[in-house]
Amino acid sequence: DADVTQTPRNRITKTGKRIMLECSQTKGHDRMYWYRQDPGLGLRLIYYSFDVKDINKGEISDGYSVSRQAQAKFSLSLESAIPNQTALYFCATSDTAGPDIQYFGAGTRLSVL
Amino acid sequence: EDQVTQSPEALRLQEGESSSLNCSYTVSGLRGLFWYRQDPGKGPEFLFTLYSAGEEKEKERLKATLTKKESFLHITAPKPEDSATYLCAVQAGTGNQFYFGTGTSLTVIP
Repeated sequence: DADVTQTPRNRITKTGKRIMLECSQTKGHDRMYWYRQDPGLGLRLIYYSFDVKDINKGEISDGYSVSRQAQAKFSLSLESAIPNQTALYFCATSDTAGPDIQYFGAGTRLSVL
Repeated sequence: EDQVTQSPEALRLQEGESSSLNCSYTVSGLRGLFWYRQDPGKGPEFLFTLYSAGEEKEKERLKATLTKKESFLHITAPKPEDSATYLCAVQAGTGNQFYFGTGTSLTVIP
């Protein structure tokens, strides 16, 4: 089983719909991150959380919200999806001890029509 | 503005033809530079971390180096299985955020 699991793997939705992407991890890491990846723009940080009570905005948080339900779970919500949120979304985790190596999930491909 | 730039965008090599990928950065308060490999349909996979100018790390056919302005990922005698997108990221700033480059897509032809 994967250490960082994202669900769903693929999702097609319509403009204006609310959608939630979920991430769970079995690595026991405190830090979790949400990124989006677009062709030509690379990975951009949406939100990050250093522990259950700590949530921080990243580079491109507008239009997104997150919830850290437990150490192992970090969800990303699009309250009212729009077409330019079509992208590949990745969740990542890292440990507070040692080098800040990030471990990524397999990604969620989201299409907003 | 913090920025990470990778070049070239794409690189095609014959098997055994060595080359280098470049990652240049302009950030304040660099804490570390990371190299990742990304295969199609998968998330990035960690390769190396470099912390200070002059540092080098090696793994099989890959060697990463760091200067004050840039990092190189040297690929020696590549094989087709080295084909992937290679991402560079820097950790910097007071929030210790990560900034990723757009990647270099490497294709190694048998």
